[in-house]
Amino acid sequence: KQEVTQIPAALSVPEGENLVLNCSFTDSAIYNLQWFRQDPGKGLTSLLLIQSSQREQTSGRLNASLDKSSGRSTLYIAASQPGDSATYLCAVRPEEGYGGSQGNLIFGKGTKLSVKP
Amino acid sequence: NAGVTQTPKFQVLKTGQSMTLQCAQDMNHEYMSWYRQDPGMGLRLIHYSVGAGITDQGEVPNGYNVSRSTTEDFPLRLLSAAPSQTSVYFCASSRSGTGDYEQYFGPGTRLTVT
Repeated sequence: KQEVTQIPAALSVPEGENLVLNCSFTDSAIYNLQWFRQDPGKGLTSLLLIQSSQREQTSGRLNASLDKSSGRSTLYIAASQPGDSATYLCAVRPEEGYGGSQGNLIFGKGTKLSVKP
Repeated sequence: NAGVTQTPKFQVLKTGQSMTLQCAQDMNHEYMSWYRQDPGMGLRLIHYSVGAGITDQGEVPNGYNVSRSTTEDFPLRLLSAAPSQTSVYFCASSRSGTGDYEQYFGPGTRLTVT
């Protein structure tokens, strides 16, 4: 059964620091991996999607990497800002037959990031 | 494009009441799904649909019904609300249920059952 784990559960850093959020998954049979941002009481905002054949994706100050064989992904945030404070969720889309229901995204429980001014 | 839209944004129900959470997408996506998000549990799949007229159960389907009469709409029905259904509900859509496609999420419906 595919499981997604995010460590740490919470992280507090001073403004300006570079930081890395970690995501691990137990089965490498995935189509892709998505990183989401969720602000308190709000919906999910998709940040980056990495296809299984890709090693990394970049968007602005964000860089996500994927090592499918080891079951790991990282989200790198450069020069963090207080506006980056949110919960970051990682989710994998299992290949058909490897993750239960078709199309199901398997989510981690998230890392709550706080960036102090 | 509006993307994935959900109504209402907030709802309070009494135990035993029924209601329908609405979800619509304007991206001509074949695949649509419903998740619930609970503290400490993460997001879990309730029901999904791979096309008009085709629905199936996800991980936590009990107490919920769905139908898909059009490509655009995928309503979620609570027939007799229970306090255990207090949660945040997200609708999502994707071009297909298989393959390397991104999923897009709606803004969510926050439901409280008293």
